[in-house]
Amino acid sequence: QQQVKQSPQSLIVQKGGISIINCAYENTAFDYFPWYQQFPGKGPALLIAIRPDVSEKKEGRFTISFNKSAKQFSLHIMDSQPGDSATYFCAARWVAGTALIFGKGTTLSVSS
Amino acid sequence: KAGVTQTPRYLIKTRGQQVTLSCSPISGHRSVSWYQQTPGQGLQFLFEYFSETQRNKGNFPGRFSGRQFSNSRSEMNVSTLELGDSALYLCASSWEDGTADTQYFGPGTRLTVL
Repeated sequence: QQQVKQSPQSLIVQKGGISIINCAYENTAFDYFPWYQQFPGKGPALLIAIRPDVSEKKEGRFTISFNKSAKQFSLHIMDSQPGDSATYFCAARWVAGTALIFGKGTTLSVSS
Repeated sequence: KAGVTQTPRYLIKTRGQQVTLSCSPISGHRSVSWYQQTPGQGLQFLFEYFSETQRNKGNFPGRFSGRQFSNSRSEMNVSTLELGDSALYLCASSWEDGTADTQYFGPGTRLTVL
């Protein structure tokens, strides 16, 4: 399967700081790049998503930066809060269908 | 509107048995996808159904199968269970035929194989 590589595996950020999670992909046929947030005991929930014709998308404290030529995209969480402590997954979708290829996840801990 | 529901939430089986998991998508959603989540492999795509037809399939052995009913509800079946099948099985639904972006995930079924 095509890979999506995510880093770091874990991240500790102080309250009010910026959390940055990075992903890289290989397949240029991917056409949609979402980020999911997962709390323990819950299924993943869509946080924010971007298409490759856009370089940046912002929703509240969450921003995706997308670099098509480098085949990389990242999630920035501004003013990180303890409630943001969760596991974050980047993903990519093939053009042909709805199957999502996920990164391995980043466990974010925001300390108060 | 109710979210994606999955039953049962927890299941314990022994090696060699088979298991059936159920997923009810959000009302009006016609596409249902299944994923396996494990600590080692992360989230991996199993298969996707749309209008009772399997449209995409991930790289899993034939022991993993699924189906979708006319009301869009879906089931997945794992036969001859192995210890490595222990995982959280997630179902996700989306609005229509692949052009819709957002997949909404259920809480998952935690399968433990002893």
